[in-house]
Amino acid sequence: EVQLVESGGGLVKPGGSLRLSCVASGFTFNMYSIIWVRQAPGKGLEWVSSISSSTFDIYYADSLKGRFTISRDNAKSSVYLQMNSLRAEDTAVYHCARDYYDSNGVWYFDLWGRGTLVTVSS
Amino acid sequence: SYVLTQPPSVSVAPGQTARITCGGNNIGDKSVHWYQQKPGQAPVLVIYDDRDRPSGIPGRFSGSNSGNTATLTISRVEAGDEADFYCQLWDNDSDHVVFGGGTKLTVL
Repeated sequence: EVQLVESGGGLVKPGGSLRLSCVASGFTFNMYSIIWVRQAPGKGLEWVSSISSSTFDIYYADSLKGRFTISRDNAKSSVYLQMNSLRAEDTAVYHCARDYYDSNGVWYFDLWGRGTLVTVSS
Repeated sequence: SYVLTQPPSVSVAPGQTARITCGGNNIGDKSVHWYQQKPGQAPVLVIYDDRDRPSGIPGRFSGSNSGNTATLTISRVEAGDEADFYCQLWDNDSDHVVFGGGTKLTVL
C-alpha cells in the first residue's frame, strides 16, 4: 500500500525537543521530495519544511527561526523533523506529505500521512 | 511574503454549486492546488495545476485561475462534500510553500 506514516509525537515541556519520523512505503521513496505541514488545534494548514530527494534543497518556514531541522534517510525510506526549543505555539498535528513533480513542471502534494500530535505544555 | 486569502466559510444547499475563492497578487500567473480536509483526516488533493483532477476525484470538482483569483467549484454539492478546503501554491520569490487560511464548506 502506498502510504506515509508519522510517529514521534507526544507531550513535551516548553524548551524541550522532539524528533518526528515519517516512514514511506509502496513507492520509490528516493525519487520524491517530502514536506512537513502542521495544523494547530482548530487552525489551518501551515507549511513547516521541505526536503528534496537528494537533500540538496532544503527549505524552512520563516517562523521557525532555526529551531527545526529536516533530514532524510533514503535507505530507510524515512524523513525526520528535529524540533528544538519547543514552544506552546508549536502544539499541532504534524503531517508529512509527498511532493509530486508532474510532467508540466508543477509541484503539489499528492499523498499525505494522518499526522502525529505534538503537545507543548508544562 | 506571498499571501493567499480565502473566505472563512461558504454555505450551500445540496444539489447547488459551491464556489470557493482564493485571492492573491497576480495569482493567475501561478499554479494553484486545492486540498479537501474532513475532520480528523489528512488533507486530500482535489485539484492541481489550477484545473486538473487527480484520479478518483469526482468530475463535480473543477478549478479555474485568472487575474487575482483562483476558484474551486463544486457542482451538485452533496452532504459528503462538507469539509475544509485549502488553496496552495509555491512562491518562487521566497522559495516557500503557501497555504490559504482555509474555507469551511457547510452543506445546509
